[in-house]
Parts: sequence; C-alpha cells; structure tokens
Amino acid sequence: GEDVEQSLFLSVREGDSSVINCTYTDSSSTYLYWYKQEPGAGLQLLTYIFSNMDMKQDQRLTVLLNKKDKHLSLRIADTQTGDSAIYFCAESYTGRRALTFGSGTRLQVQP
Amino acid sequence: EAGVAQSPRYKIIEKRQSVAFWCNPISGHATLYWYQQILGQGPKLLIQFQNNGVVDDSQLPKDRFSAERLKGVDSTLKIQPAKLEDSAVYLCASSLSDEQFFGPGTRLTVL
Repeated sequence: GEDVEQSLFLSVREGDSSVINCTYTDSSSTYLYWYKQEPGAGLQLLTYIFSNMDMKQDQRLTVLLNKKDKHLSLRIADTQTGDSAIYFCAESYTGRRALTFGSGTRLQVQP
Repeated sequence: EAGVAQSPRYKIIEKRQSVAFWCNPISGHATLYWYQQILGQGPKLLIQFQNNGVVDDSQLPKDRFSAERLKGVDSTLKIQPAKLEDSAVYLCASSLSDEQFFGPGTRLTVL
C-alpha cells in the first residue's frame, strides 16, 4: 500500500541550510510534492517534481529525488525564521491524482 | 486570482449533532478534494470530485459523512451525527492539472 514517511522534527540556525527528508513506498508515484503549513493556515504548495527528474531548483529550494531508494529531500538554503513551519511530503500517481501525505516535519529556525 | 474559499473557519459542536462545511474552489478547476487532517498527522483524502461526479470516496465514512458538488462548482461536506473522533481540520483543495491548491480549512471540535 501507499506510505509516505518523514522525520518529525528538525532544528537549524538562521542562515544555515535545512534538509528535510521523505521516503515513499509506491513505485508508481508520478509526482512528488512539498507543501508548507504554518500554524492555523492551509497548505501552501512549495514545489513538486515529476518522477522522471532527479533534481529541481527554485530560488532557495532544491528538491532531490532518488527513485532507486524512493527517497525525496527538500533543501532550503539560507534558512530564515519565516521558514519555521511544518513541511509535508506528498505523492500522487497517474490514475489517482489525490495526494498521499506524510505526517509532516516540523522545522524550527533559531535566530 | 482568488484562492480556494472555505467556511466556516471554526465550528464547535457536541457529539451526535450535525455540521456542514462549504467550499468554493478556484474558478475553472474541475477537480475538487476534501481532506481530513487530524492533529499531528498529514491530511487524508475523504472524497474527490471531477466536475459534479465522484471519482474516489473509498475513504469516506459513508454511514455519517456525505458530500455533494451539484453544479460542478462549490461543494458541501456534511457529518451527521458527529463523533468525538471527527475533531479535525477539514481541508478543501482544487486542481486543474497536477497542482492542488488548498483552502484555509475548517477546524471542527466535537465535544
């Protein structure tokens, strides 16, 4: 069955890089997503990667995909206090566009 | 462009009462999703609509939950009767293709 797993918590200092990891089990995953959720808010789509790509970069965000190991990571360069939030990894596949989410990684950025 | 709208933002009811949530997706988005997010977990799909037809309702507890999207635009999700374990944030999302955009959610507390 589908399963997406993430570590629960990450703490970094402002200005450092953050790396949030995710593993998934469904080999038919087509798209892999990163969402950000701030307290009391909905989910904000940060970026997504198609399964035939290895890497995608968007300003301070870099997504790396290792299909062999079914491992996805999100790197945030020059992490700011405004990046403090919960980050969700999610997957979908052709034929089922609904998202399967991990439990989220809480990122704490210390000044 | 207006985002996904949801109302109410907060609702407190007693168990065995009924409650309804409303969602207005982004204009032109054919696909609409309802997710349930229990505290500390990632969102889980309840139901997916394509226009006014149901694509996937396999995870919807049909003995108490119902949803409709009569004209293929806005949607309502109803719980009747509510249980304590229904306390969660109910998120609506819409999509045109591969990106899903989420509303702010309705936080339901069942006492």
